[in-house]
Amino acid sequence: KNEVEQSPQNLTAQEGEFITINCSYSVGISALHWLQQHPGGGIVSLFMLSSGKKKHGRLIATINIQEKHSSLHITASHPRDSAVYICAVEGGATNKLIFGTGTLLAVQP
Amino acid sequence: DGGITQSPKYLFRKEGQNVTLSCEQNLNHDAMYWYRQDPGQGLRLIYYSQIVNDFQKGDIAEGYSVSREKKESFPLTVTSAQKNPTAFYLCASSIEPYSNQPQHFGDGTRLSIL
Repeated sequence: KNEVEQSPQNLTAQEGEFITINCSYSVGISALHWLQQHPGGGIVSLFMLSSGKKKHGRLIATINIQEKHSSLHITASHPRDSAVYICAVEGGATNKLIFGTGTLLAVQP
Repeated sequence: DGGITQSPKYLFRKEGQNVTLSCEQNLNHDAMYWYRQDPGQGLRLIYYSQIVNDFQKGDIAEGYSVSREKKESFPLTVTSAQKNPTAFYLCASSIEPYSNQPQHFGDGTRLSIL
């Protein structure tokens, strides 16, 4: 079983929809990262959080440490949000980043 | 603008050939990392460096080598010992190693076998 699990693996939405991507992990962590990977391959860091909730524009990230679960929400989705969203946790035995396999999001106009 | 530059974007390797992937950063970060990305898998750590002239093996270091002679540069060599080198390679850096700091990523190099 992977230490970081994301769901869903693939998600198709219509423009304007509210989107939720989930991340569950099984190790103790010091921080959780949400990353965005565009079709060209480059990765951008969206959020790093260790508790509570963070918001940046239309993106919201939450984490529940007790339940070992995080969610990434996108409000008023737009086709330019189409990308792979990756959850990564900093922790475990080595305190290195452990990555999920990503959620492929396609937002259709 | 500060950032990480990886080159080339696409690279082809012949059997038995070593190839070197370049990674340069102008963020003044101490820590640098190399990851490999395969379809359907999460990124996996190949090597990382916490400071100049120091580097550590990651989870999948076999068949790879690195150097860190300058703070700005962390080149990765894929040797002929790496039997399945076809993958997408990402370089990253952070202010300090694994200290709850965000990692900054390059745009990646896609390596294919001829």
